[in-house]
Amino acid sequence: DAGVTQSPTHLIKTRGQHVTLRCSPISGHKSVSWYQQVLGQGPQFIFQYYEKEERGRGNFPDRFSARQFPNYSSELNVNALLLGDSALYLCASSLIGQAVGNTIYFGEGSWLTVV
Amino acid sequence: DQQVKQNSPSLSVQEGRISILNCDYTNSMFDYFLWYKKYPAEGPTFLISISSIKDKNEDGRFTVFLNKSAKHLSLHIVPSQPGDSAVYFCAASAEGAQKLVFGQGTRLTINP
Repeated sequence: DAGVTQSPTHLIKTRGQHVTLRCSPISGHKSVSWYQQVLGQGPQFIFQYYEKEERGRGNFPDRFSARQFPNYSSELNVNALLLGDSALYLCASSLIGQAVGNTIYFGEGSWLTVV
Repeated sequence: DQQVKQNSPSLSVQEGRISILNCDYTNSMFDYFLWYKKYPAEGPTFLISISSIKDKNEDGRFTVFLNKSAKHLSLHIVPSQPGDSAVYFCAASAEGAQKLVFGQGTRLTINP
């Protein structure tokens, strides 16, 4: 079975531009979460979607948005990019909507560089 | 507000010896803890987890210990192997939440 797949793997954008990152969860998984990992730090929670509804949001500005599609894949959108948005964006999938007792699997991430 | 802390940015251990990675947390609502391993250019890989109703969980060479009163957990790897060289993250979650709160990571290097 395929794991969590993310695209693109690397991209470079200019300040002020918009970016869309995509994620396909493991087959059968209904929950998708997004994390941002800045160099030298641990991943930080951005969003969680379960059964196509937003179930949680981290401390990120409104420039960040996401959605989950009927096939449970997900997109993360970031508008008006800033240099500080340069990071590894990780998608995580799991069977159910809570972490306790549930294994959360991560994709390999999308490396975003804003210049 | 760093709710999960890994105070050692790096750790170097000789092959065959025990590696002990530590993690502290401040939020008493956390009741589920996980360890992830990350190689460069890859996403985090789940290693082992522990629920707050336990104080120890083992899986092969990996054992996680939880001390709730001290709000401290540790990951023991024994014996350490060169392939264990990676960045290790501890993460915590509260009941009903999907969100994982991660520490800053500890870079483990296993020396031959």
